[in-house]
Amino acid sequence: QQKVQQSPESLTVSEGAMASLNCTFSDGTSNNFRWYRQHSAKGLEVLVSIFSDGEKEEGRFTAHLNRANLHVSLHIREPQPSDSAVYLCAVSTYNVLYFGSGTKLTVEP
Amino acid sequence: NSKVIQTPRYLVKGQGQKAKMRCIPEKGHPVVFWYQQNKNNEFKFLINFQNQEVLQQIDMTEKRFSAECPSNSPCSLEIQSSEAGDSALYLCASSPGTGVYEQYFGPGTRLTVL
Repeated sequence: QQKVQQSPESLTVSEGAMASLNCTFSDGTSNNFRWYRQHSAKGLEVLVSIFSDGEKEEGRFTAHLNRANLHVSLHIREPQPSDSAVYLCAVSTYNVLYFGSGTKLTVEP
Repeated sequence: NSKVIQTPRYLVKGQGQKAKMRCIPEKGHPVVFWYQQNKNNEFKFLINFQNQEVLQQIDMTEKRFSAECPSNSPCSLEIQSSEAGDSALYLCASSPGTGVYEQYFGPGTRLTVL
């Protein structure tokens, strides 16, 4: 079964500074990787999906995938206080999403 | 923004009681997923459907869990005899298809078993 781990558990950045989140997974044969965020008491919002090694940008969110290193990262450019949330990495294997435990991001004004 | 509707948002049950929650997928999405998110942010896939048919499911927790997606009615997830360990956020997601398609999540039903 796919194991997904995220780091750090929590991250505080100042408004406008880049935020970088990491995710490692155990099975490199998976073919798609997603980043979601979850504001408290709300559902999950998909931010960016990436299917091949390299970089994928969606607005201020950029994912980098290195399948050989079993690693995918998310970089948030110019974060704002409204970006404060839990960020979840998910790896899709045979249609099922396997999630990490999340990184709690706090963006201070 | 996701248009998946889940009801109720909050559900409180005593141990041994039935708990039932519903999900209306986005229009045009034939694939529906149920996940459980516990207080430690651990996610567990429970079951998925394509139209009314089960695609995949875990061993549904000693058969206490059941789910269905009938035609022209909301999908549902029911726990026959709730246990304290079932307290969690139950998330429904829908998708235009399987494989590389996105899964769009509803806000969840927060179940508390006293």
